[in-house]
Amino acid sequence: AQKITQTQPGMFVQEKEAVTLDCTYDTSDPSYGLFWYKQPSSGEMIFLIYQGSYDQQNATEGRYSLNFQKARKSANLVISASQLGDSAMYFCAMRETNTGNQFYFGTGTSLTVIP
Amino acid sequence: DSGVTQTPKHLITATGQRVTLRCSPRSGDLSVYWYQQSLDQGLQFLIQYYNGEERAKGNILERFSAQQFPDLHSELNLSSLELGDSALYFCASSPRLGSNYGYTFGSGTRLTVV
Repeated sequence: AQKITQTQPGMFVQEKEAVTLDCTYDTSDPSYGLFWYKQPSSGEMIFLIYQGSYDQQNATEGRYSLNFQKARKSANLVISASQLGDSAMYFCAMRETNTGNQFYFGTGTSLTVIP
Repeated sequence: DSGVTQTPKHLITATGQRVTLRCSPRSGDLSVYWYQQSLDQGLQFLIQYYNGEERAKGNILERFSAQQFPDLHSELNLSSLELGDSALYFCASSPRLGSNYGYTFGSGTRLTVV
């Protein structure tokens, strides 16, 4: 089974609107971390936001927030007030604390912000 | 600048050749991870080092090897290169083993095998 599933290969959003990028995960480890990374066309991987499995509140970082629904095993990224510079690939990732040190990545969602 | 330095940024080489990719982790980070990003496989974990020792191995081919040196920089060696090895190779570092914070990627080395 896939550890991380991103079901939206491509998304479009109007500038200044909010957009939600979906991510579901699969783990039996009670302790894990969930991450979102942005990869612009230049190729670098940019850390956006982190959510720990024991965190009570949803993580927020500026215009980014993570809608963490533990029972549903989902960790959706919400980008508010989209900007043209938000156009990029977005990857959801998970790290299981007790079962290994590697990160598992989803296949990514390509976001295009329309002026 | 993330603080993780990867060189070279681009590399073009022929099949059958051997190349070395270099990664300098962020200052103070002890753990280094290597990932391969290809169009058909997505982002795949290759190998992790911590303070000079191998700690975890992922989908790394036998033609590939890596090491972390006393100064904590790491090298990924790819030999007998095939067309399918063309990919973006990322290095990432973190302060300590198991850290969920401060996990930072370099800008990658784009390898093209012709």
